Amino acid sequence: DTAVSQTPKYLVTQMGNDKSIKCEQNLGHDTMYWYKQDSKKFLKIMFSYNNKELIINETVPNRFSPKSPDKAHLNLHINSLELGDSAVYFCASSQRGNEKLFFGSGTQLSVL
Amino acid sequence: ILNVEQSPQSLHVQEGDSTNFTCSFPSSNFYALHWYRWETAKSPEALFVMTLNGDEKKKGRISATLNTKEGYSYLYIKGSQPEDSATYLCARLSGSARQLTFGSGTQLTVLP
Repeated sequence: DTAVSQTPKYLVTQMGNDKSIKCEQNLGHDTMYWYKQDSKKFLKIMFSYNNKELIINETVPNRFSPKSPDKAHLNLHINSLELGDSAVYFCASSQRGNEKLFFGSGTQLSVL
Repeated sequence: ILNVEQSPQSLHVQEGDSTNFTCSFPSSNFYALHWYRWETAKSPEALFVMTLNGDEKKKGRISATLNTKEGYSYLYIKGSQPEDSATYLCARLSGSARQLTFGSGTQLTVLP
C-alpha cells in the first residue's frame, strides 16, 4: 500500500484553466503539506494543514488553494493557471512532534 | 547563515570511495535537522532526523553528525556503491514556525 499517494502523476493543461491535484495518506499522520520544486530544484513549502487547520501559508498566489476534507486528504486547487506554474508539486505528510516527511511521488504540471 | 546551504552542489566518486558532504544552517531557533535521499524519478525518503548537538546517526554505510552551536551537519558515505547515486537533501526545522527549510541538495554520482 502506498503511504502517500497523489494524482495525477502528470498534468498537461492550457493557460487559464483550473485544475486540482489530489493527495491522500494512510499513515495516520496529523499534518499534510504541499511543496513546489522550483526551477533550481529547491523544494519550497506552499501549505501545510494540521488537524484541518492551515498552519503555514507561504507567499504563494491566492490562485492556489489547499482543501482538506479530512486529515487523510489535502488537495491542491489552482485557478487560472499560468505558464510559471509549471513545476513538480509534491505532497507530504508527517506526525507533529516528529516532522519526518513522507512524500508522494510528485505531480508534474505543464502549463501550455 | 540565513538559509540552508549544502556543499558541494555535485560530486562524482568511484565505487568503493568514501565521501562526505556538508549542510550549513542558521543555528538560532533550531529544532531539528533532517537528511533525505532523493533518487531520480522517485520521491525524497528520510534518512535521519537529528535534534541534539553532537548527535550521530548511522544507517548501514551512511552516517551523519550534527553541530547545532555552529550550525552544520555532515553526511558520510563509506565505501560508496552505484546505488548510492542520488541527491542528498538536508532540511532545518525551526522551533517557532515548525517549518522545514530545504537546502538545494548535493547530487552524488558513484561511478562503477
